[in-house]
Amino acid sequence: QSALTQPPSASGSPGQSVTISCTGTSSDVGAYKFVSWYQQHPGKAPKLMIYEVTKRPSGVPDRFSGSRSGNTASLTVSGLQAEDEADYYCNSYAGSNIVVFGGGTKLTVL
Amino acid sequence: QVHLVQSETEVKKPGASVKVSCRASGYTFATYYMHWVRQAPGQGLEWIGVINPSGGSTSYAQKFQGRVTMTRDTSTSTVYMELGSLRSEDTAVFYCARDYSGVSSMVAKGNFDFWGQGTLVTVSS
Repeated sequence: QSALTQPPSASGSPGQSVTISCTGTSSDVGAYKFVSWYQQHPGKAPKLMIYEVTKRPSGVPDRFSGSRSGNTASLTVSGLQAEDEADYYCNSYAGSNIVVFGGGTKLTVL
Repeated sequence: QVHLVQSETEVKKPGASVKVSCRASGYTFATYYMHWVRQAPGQGLEWIGVINPSGGSTSYAQKFQGRVTMTRDTSTSTVYMELGSLRSEDTAVFYCARDYSGVSSMVAKGNFDFWGQGTLVTVSS
């Protein structure tokens, strides 16, 4: 049950696109289509942005998209806006009702 | 409207136990898994475990095995997370989070669509 690997930071200018990676193993990210992404602003609870690799909950802008290749999942934020500046976390199902999180990525909008 | 309301801030001494509650409303309590996640100051999210509110079965992260117990009370739609043998490193905000996956799927996929407001647990002598 090792944590998933995310880059500690990412950045982009308004209007640009940025992609955040989330690397696991063939026992979690690579094994199940159950990867989620969360946005967390300071002092707030996390918010679900993407679930089951590519699906967007109602109300989440379509600027947010998810994908997966092998053991690595990715979150892409297109048309960056100032309010996208936040911490982003991925998690994955790892079998036997076990879930693992990534270490988090701080996204800065320049 | 789904609401998860957690118990208030706790201050505990090392070696003690803490029991945090999470009362659910706005949906059928027994039909969705409930997870617990913690976040130490300035750190990332850490999964603790999950409970099936229907039957009460649980799964815990290896790190917390033997030290954590999750229970539920279906009469009040409340889940509880008790963590024992507390040490200073356990100081964190603890969240309950509903899993979008229904218990009928038999899999707690980790899609957390609703979160409690968080409960700060401070462990200090």
